[in-house]
Amino acid sequence: DIQLTQSPSFLSASVEDRVTITCRASQGISSSLAWYQQKPGKAPKLLIYAASTLQSGVPSRFSGSGSGTEFTLTISGLQPEDFATYYCQQVNSYPITFGQGTRLEIK
Amino acid sequence: EVQLVESGGGLVQPGGSLRLSCAASGFTFSSYVMTWVRQGPGKGLEWVSLISDSGDTAFYADSVRGRFTISRDNSKNTVYLQMNSLRVEDTAVYYCAKRLTAVPSTPNYFDYWGQGILVTVSS
Repeated sequence: DIQLTQSPSFLSASVEDRVTITCRASQGISSSLAWYQQKPGKAPKLLIYAASTLQSGVPSRFSGSGSGTEFTLTISGLQPEDFATYYCQQVNSYPITFGQGTRLEIK
Repeated sequence: EVQLVESGGGLVQPGGSLRLSCAASGFTFSSYVMTWVRQGPGKGLEWVSLISDSGDTAFYADSVRGRFTISRDNSKNTVYLQMNSLRVEDTAVYYCAKRLTAVPSTPNYFDYWGQGILVTVSS
């Protein structure tokens, strides 16, 4: 199984900050990676797929990059509604796996 | 508008069974791969199972293989998850989700998710 390790697991930041979350895969997955945002009590929301493609309707302050084993999600100019938990997901092979999550909180 | 509505959750004893349903609307259901993902209390997301658009191919996480069965009825726009031999560790909110595209052999990113349904396995 492909393991995904996110760092950090917890992040404290302020509105308007720029933050980066990293996702490392235990083996190469090309660009077969997505990022999801989840708020408490809500379903996950697809933000980025194919490592760097912004899902329709997602603000442009979200961006993704990487390929192979290392990927990043960057939020440029944090907004109050961005404070949530973020997950990466690999779809290169079964079983589909998720990272353990990164909780982004307001400083 | 795409909608996915899960039902069938609840409290069940260890070793028991439960069938979840996910009713879909707002898209051509029979053209899309569907999946189930769960989230234990205070935990992260765990992929459970996936079924092809036609229903003839399914995949499972090791943790549920042999106990859970995914199926779909394209005439009813519904995907199911039959859960047998339930364990305490199956306690979770279960989400159904649809694949981003209907194009065959494309990656399984999930763009629409249901609101989730709670399954509690406890004696």
